[in-house]
Amino acid sequence: LAKTTQPISMDSYEGQEVNITCSHNNIATNDYITWYQQFPSQGPRFIIQGYKTKVTNEVASLFIPADRKSSTLSLPRVSLSDTAVYYCLVGDREPSYSSASKIIFGSGTRLSIRP
Amino acid sequence: ETGVTQTPRHLVMGMTNKKSLKCEQHLGHNAMYWYKQSAKKPLELMFVYSLEERVENNSVPSRFSPECPNSSHLFLHLHTLQPEDSALYLCASSQERTGVSNEQFFGPGTRLTVL
Repeated sequence: LAKTTQPISMDSYEGQEVNITCSHNNIATNDYITWYQQFPSQGPRFIIQGYKTKVTNEVASLFIPADRKSSTLSLPRVSLSDTAVYYCLVGDREPSYSSASKIIFGSGTRLSIRP
Repeated sequence: ETGVTQTPRHLVMGMTNKKSLKCEQHLGHNAMYWYKQSAKKPLELMFVYSLEERVENNSVPSRFSPECPNSSHLFLHLHTLQPEDSALYLCASSQERTGVSNEQFFGPGTRLTVL
């Protein structure tokens, strides 16, 4: 099971680019990297997922180096509404009776955006 | 709006009460989940159902009893709860029986307070 490590909190300002790095030294060959965003008193929301190199969507980019032992979520030009907790998850897509127990959100990174 | 609804949104109950939380997904997914999120603690996976069959029970006390009558509905029956069970209870669904990296869609949660 690939354990993930993220900074507990980060602060930034509106209009800045924010990069949140997640370490996953024990990532397995079949594992994907997934990021979720959670606002207070709401359920998490899927942001982006990747396997290697770079993935970009309308919300964020995900950078994954060749060794895949870490990944960086990049939020371009953040606004106040990006204040949330961001979770990094690592795991495979294969369904199995035991895989659900591997769904570990961890403590996430609490991102605070200031005016 | 994620396609996953939960009722009630807020619930206050005494330790001797019996209540139920309801979750419904309108996404045609095959897997549904219950999570618990206590204050300042990570999300904890409680139960997973796949095609109405329980496939995961993460050592949850018996005072929590899940029920999945069909692939669209999930219930969490509560009885003789403790004050430490006060938390945000989140329901989620995913397309397939889970691997970690299958995207989950979360409901807004039920904020439970046990007096």
